[in-house]
Amino acid sequence: DAGVIQSPRHEVTEMGQEVTLRCKPISGHDYLFWYRQTMMRGLELLIYFNNNVPIDDSGMPEDRFSAKMPNASFSTLKIQPSEPRDSAVYFCASRKSGGTGELFFGEGSRLTVL
Amino acid sequence: AQKVTQAQTEISVVEKEDVTLDCVYETRDTTYYLFWYKQPPSGELVFLIRRNSFDEQNEISGRYSWNFQKSTSSFNFTITASQVVDSAVYFCALSEARGNKLVFGAGTILRVKS
Repeated sequence: DAGVIQSPRHEVTEMGQEVTLRCKPISGHDYLFWYRQTMMRGLELLIYFNNNVPIDDSGMPEDRFSAKMPNASFSTLKIQPSEPRDSAVYFCASRKSGGTGELFFGEGSRLTVL
Repeated sequence: AQKVTQAQTEISVVEKEDVTLDCVYETRDTTYYLFWYKQPPSGELVFLIRRNSFDEQNEISGRYSWNFQKSTSSFNFTITASQVVDSAVYFCALSEARGNKLVFGAGTILRVKS
């Protein structure tokens, strides 16, 4: 089975531009998570969905960040407008209810905002 | 609030040495989960283990073993006979009962030299 698929793997953009990160969770997984990893703050949970519904977005840094999950196989994380401090690796992860509770992570999207 | 502390920022060992990575956690919950993840140089996060708060049995998987002690709020990870391929950043994480909001420690960089 394919793992969690994220795109793009690398994105370099200029301050003020809109950035959209994409994620395809593992088929059959009903939870989807967006994490951000930086040197200063480590791994932080931004938002998570259950059955396509946002459950907790308390980790979203500010209104410039938004996330959607229009269907069970696709989610986006959008930053508009982007700022240099948004530079980080953004991970998407998914899991299935019950089971081992293992979170399956994608390979991450490395964002650089100049 | 939940917190995970990995006091060892970086550890260097020579191949075949045993190494223990420390993890201390804080939570007010009586039911919680503890995790270890590995992040190799390629960047993805790989699940290693999940332990629930009611199961204090030590776990062994090949060269890996985990020691969970509620009395000291610790969940330490030992690699026996380390190998160069074990070089990675290792994260300890804690979640609430439903296992969704993972709080990660800062990570320990393990360097295994040949």
